[in-house]
Amino acid sequence: EVQLVESGGGLIQPGGSLRLSCAASGFTVSSNYMSWVRQAPGKGLEWVSVIYSGGNTYYADSVKGRFTISRDNSENTLSLQMNSLRAEDTAVYYCARYLKAVAGFFHAFDIWGQGTIVTVSS
Amino acid sequence: QSALTQPRSVSGSPGQSVTISCTGTSSDVGGYNSVSWYQQHPGKAPKLMIYDVNKRPSGVPDRFSGSKSGNTASLTISGLQAEDEADYYCCSFAGSYTWVFGGGTKLTVL
Repeated sequence: EVQLVESGGGLIQPGGSLRLSCAASGFTVSSNYMSWVRQAPGKGLEWVSVIYSGGNTYYADSVKGRFTISRDNSENTLSLQMNSLRAEDTAVYYCARYLKAVAGFFHAFDIWGQGTIVTVSS
Repeated sequence: QSALTQPRSVSGSPGQSVTISCTGTSSDVGGYNSVSWYQQHPGKAPKLMIYDVNKRPSGVPDRFSGSKSGNTASLTISGLQAEDEADYYCCSFAGSYTWVFGGGTKLTVL
């Protein structure tokens, strides 16, 4: 079964760091485009970061310089290292896979994890 | 990277049709045929309903359809059913390796 399972969320003080993980099953993370998307309490979805199959990474302006997306090919996992956390980073963080095309990928997320909650508060 | 604009809420009776709009700019919705739509039930992860403006993934009923005109994309749900009650989000590629979501629309089935 194709599945994503996030972990690593929790309560962290402002200025602190947290590392989220996303374990994939049923497909290979390194062969896909993968993203993190977050949702603040009662708010809409916000795209956070992407890692391409070739390894290139890109970020939303709101997290650039503070968050780092990476993957562990041996563990088939996706990670998000979050530093200098702020109250406005409080959200459910989802990992998501891009829909694959015959050649390349579509700009759409076809598989989502169940999310992990990050709360930044003193 | 400003969020796309969606109505806060829409409603319809079972069997009716509703349309949800998603307005962006020429830098996102208007510039690419890369709009997708997601359905999210409370406490659940989003589910892909439409991609590339008007394509349906396998398993999504043909009651769901998408379109685009200029900087505005639309999701139409025909033959409304109780289980369609959910939040709906549009998303567009915005160039420069970034994506932008809409603020979300709450669909109520009366």
